[in-house]
Amino acid sequence: KAGVTQTPRYLIKTRGQQVTLSCSPISGHRSVSWYQQTPGQGLQFLFEYFSETQRNKGNFPGRFSGRQFSNSRSEMNVSTLELGDSALYLCASSLQQRGGLNTGELFFGEGSRLTVL
Amino acid sequence: SQQGEEDPQALSIQEGENATMNCSYKTSINNLQWYRQNSGRGLVHLILIRSNEREKHSGRLRVTLDTSKKSSSLLITASRAADTASYFCATDTQGGSEKLVFGKGMKLTVNP
Repeated sequence: KAGVTQTPRYLIKTRGQQVTLSCSPISGHRSVSWYQQTPGQGLQFLFEYFSETQRNKGNFPGRFSGRQFSNSRSEMNVSTLELGDSALYLCASSLQQRGGLNTGELFFGEGSRLTVL
Repeated sequence: SQQGEEDPQALSIQEGENATMNCSYKTSINNLQWYRQNSGRGLVHLILIRSNEREKHSGRLRVTLDTSKKSSSLLITASRAADTASYFCATDTQGGSEKLVFGKGMKLTVNP
């Protein structure tokens, strides 16, 4: 079974630009979560999607958005990039039922490393 | 915001020694999980312990959970150089929150 796939793996952008990151979850997984990882803040939860619905959102500005498609693939977008957005963006999928508590393990992709110049 | 805090933040040991990492958290939980991350890579799930469990084993890993003290420990026995990585505890809070909150992580270095 293929793991979680994130694209692109590396990208460089300049301030003010926008970026879209893609995540393909493990087949059959309907929940996709996004995390931002930086040396200073560690792993910060961005949002979680289940069956195309955003169920949970972290404490990030509106420049950070996401969506999930009917095939469970997810994208996140960051607009008007700032230097502080440089980070490793991690996507994780899980096998989870609608309305159920998140009691299962997360399967992470290798991440998309974004550098903002 | 961080729910869990790992302690120590960094640990360096020799191959064959045991490594113990501690995690403290603030609010009541449903379960606590431990993950490993090799440098710059994705996280890999190691073990999950539910709030009604006190101890769990998986291979060379032993996890304990003390809900009265809101703390957990991860013991890696007979460490290997390949165990060199960052280790994170993660908790999901009671009350319907459907997200995992990670600690800042602990860097383990196992010297050959």
